Amino acid sequence: GAGVSQSPRYKVAKRGQDVALRCDPISGHVSLFWYQQALGQGPEFLTYFQNEAQLDKSGLPSDRFFAERPEGSVSTLKIQRTQQEDSAVYLCASSLGDGELFFGEGSRLTVL
Amino acid sequence: GENVEQHPSTLSVQEGDSAVIKCTYSDSASNYFPWYKQELGKGPQLIIDIRSNVGEKKDQRIAVTLNKTAKHFSLHITETQPEDSAVYFCAASISGTYKYIFGTGTRLKVLA
Repeated sequence: GAGVSQSPRYKVAKRGQDVALRCDPISGHVSLFWYQQALGQGPEFLTYFQNEAQLDKSGLPSDRFFAERPEGSVSTLKIQRTQQEDSAVYLCASSLGDGELFFGEGSRLTVL
Repeated sequence: GENVEQHPSTLSVQEGDSAVIKCTYSDSASNYFPWYKQELGKGPQLIIDIRSNVGEKKDQRIAVTLNKTAKHFSLHITETQPEDSAVYFCAASISGTYKYIFGTGTRLKVLA
């Protein structure tokens, strides 16, 4: 596709449910990032992939968060046993590795 | 840890006037400073960036200045138009990583 595609755009989960958020990056972009954006705040780094390798996961807030990119293209961010504090917009971005990040429109997660 | 401070948090200007948003960063080794525009319900979009080896960069009505000694950089928008209304984020790279630290955002309103 022409840009970074994320799905679902909106997700409502009951506390304790597991959720999976998908990111389809721009074709050919080796770098993929996940950021979390709380309401009224700037994006905060969660994790980084170069191709299929997860090189940095220092921003994941707890072991309930897990990300993968098994074939070096599509990535999935999984959150287990969701909590209310997980409510946020989850942004995926891809890059050729030259610095510029291309963001998707985000997945807005609301945990009730 | 690394930090980016952004001011003001909100800014209202009359159409045709200039707008200035300022950021300071803490990591003296940061070498890449992008600015992103985020419209409601959309992901951030890069509008201009600057690297640490230059002091100023312009692109039509948008300019960015960088003062490495003082560790601050600014976004200047001239001849503002209603479509410039959005939230603007500054960011700074974290040396030795692919991560960026984002500011908390400035909500710009251009009044017609």
